[in-house]
Amino acid sequence: QVQVVQSGAEVRKPGASVKISCKSSGHSFTNYAVHWVRQAPGQRPEWMAWINGGNGDTKYSQKFQGSLTVTRDTSATTVHMEMRSLSSEDTAVYFCARSSCANGDCHSYAFDVWGQGTMVTVSS
Amino acid sequence: DIQVTQSPSSVSASAGDRITITCRTSQALINALAWYQQKPGRAPKLLIYAASNLQPGVPSRFSGSGSVTDFTLTINNLQPEDFATYFCQQANSFPPTFGQGTRLEIK
Repeated sequence: QVQVVQSGAEVRKPGASVKISCKSSGHSFTNYAVHWVRQAPGQRPEWMAWINGGNGDTKYSQKFQGSLTVTRDTSATTVHMEMRSLSSEDTAVYFCARSSCANGDCHSYAFDVWGQGTMVTVSS
Repeated sequence: DIQVTQSPSSVSASAGDRITITCRTSQALINALAWYQQKPGRAPKLLIYAASNLQPGVPSRFSGSGSVTDFTLTINNLQPEDFATYFCQQANSFPPTFGQGTRLEIK
């Protein structure tokens, strides 16, 4: 059974960093990309970044360039997302999601398997 | 970025009804449009990909159509479990972007 399981909720103060993990199972980790999508309360989802599970290539939304790092551990079939310099506007549920990848393009495909979400609260 | 606009923002319907949700994009897509269902406190669930392809396991009462800049999600014979929020998402151009959502409520 294909599954994507995320780490638990986090609370941080403004200016701090947070690292969230996303573990995949039941499918070939290196054949897919893992995306990060966040959703603030009552808002539409917002795409942040992807990492190619096969070659480790990454691509970030311009909005998050410099404040976000996505890495993978193929032996653990796990992807990590680290966000730095958090502010209250980063309070949201963060999802990881799987998509196909082809010829280096991992953003032209729908997200077919999602993690359960990780609530990140940034508050002083 | 491609802007994605859904309408209506909310709709009320009864079980057994048919409803249609529209998604309009600011640039033409090569059919790289997906539809998701989201229930409170849950992750989005993929229903339709590439504008009109039903994701395996999704009931056939869900269908997608459209092209270029105008796309539609239709749900026939609404069931109680269909009352949720629906999002469209374009995957044609980087970065992927989502519509603002349509809340489907019980009348």
